[in-house]
Amino acid sequence: AQSVTQLGSHVSVSEGALVLLRCNYSSSVPPYLFWYVQYPNQGLQLLLKYTTGATLVKGINGFEAEFKKSETSFHLTKPSAHMSDAAEYFCAVRRVGLTGGGNKLTFGTGTQLKVEL
Amino acid sequence: DAGITQSPRHKVTETGTPVTLRCHQTENHRYMYWYRQDPGHGLRLIHYSYGVKDTDKGEVSDGYSVSRSKTEDFLLTLESATSSQTSVYFCAINGGGETQYFGPGTRLLVL
Repeated sequence: AQSVTQLGSHVSVSEGALVLLRCNYSSSVPPYLFWYVQYPNQGLQLLLKYTTGATLVKGINGFEAEFKKSETSFHLTKPSAHMSDAAEYFCAVRRVGLTGGGNKLTFGTGTQLKVEL
Repeated sequence: DAGITQSPRHKVTETGTPVTLRCHQTENHRYMYWYRQDPGHGLRLIHYSYGVKDTDKGEVSDGYSVSRSKTEDFLLTLESATSSQTSVYFCAINGGGETQYFGPGTRLLVL
């Protein structure tokens, strides 16, 4: 079974500081991993994803994440926070093998990022 | 923009009332999903569809049913709404590259 743990339901950083949002996963098969961002009263937008290949993946808005199999982690980082980064961030792992060949996502509980002046 | 719309965007209803939420996609994707989002739980899968008239249960399917009579529409029905079904409901589709894309959501309040 797949599961995702996001450490820290709320993270606060100063503008210009490093953003680090933590995600650990468990998966019985090689994982596909995703980070989504949700701005207030909006749907989820894909930030980045890891499927296969390069373990450091770059996404939109200057975010990146590194897949570390030995640590079962997929932490999200951004070198310099901007006020516009304030949002909720969700890590997710893909589960395969559903009826009809579909896949589903198992989400973490989310991390609310606050950016302060 | 993955071409997903949801209707209504907001709804207030009373306990015991049936409610139907609609998800519409414009890009002919085979797989469609309904999730609910609740504080402290992230998003959880309710039902999904892998083709017209082909659906299956997710992890929180009790009290919900779905139908898909044509490729572009996936309906979620609460047969008799309860307060525990107050939530934000998201529809998603499988786009390219193993990625799911989400609609804007429907906020449902059951009084």
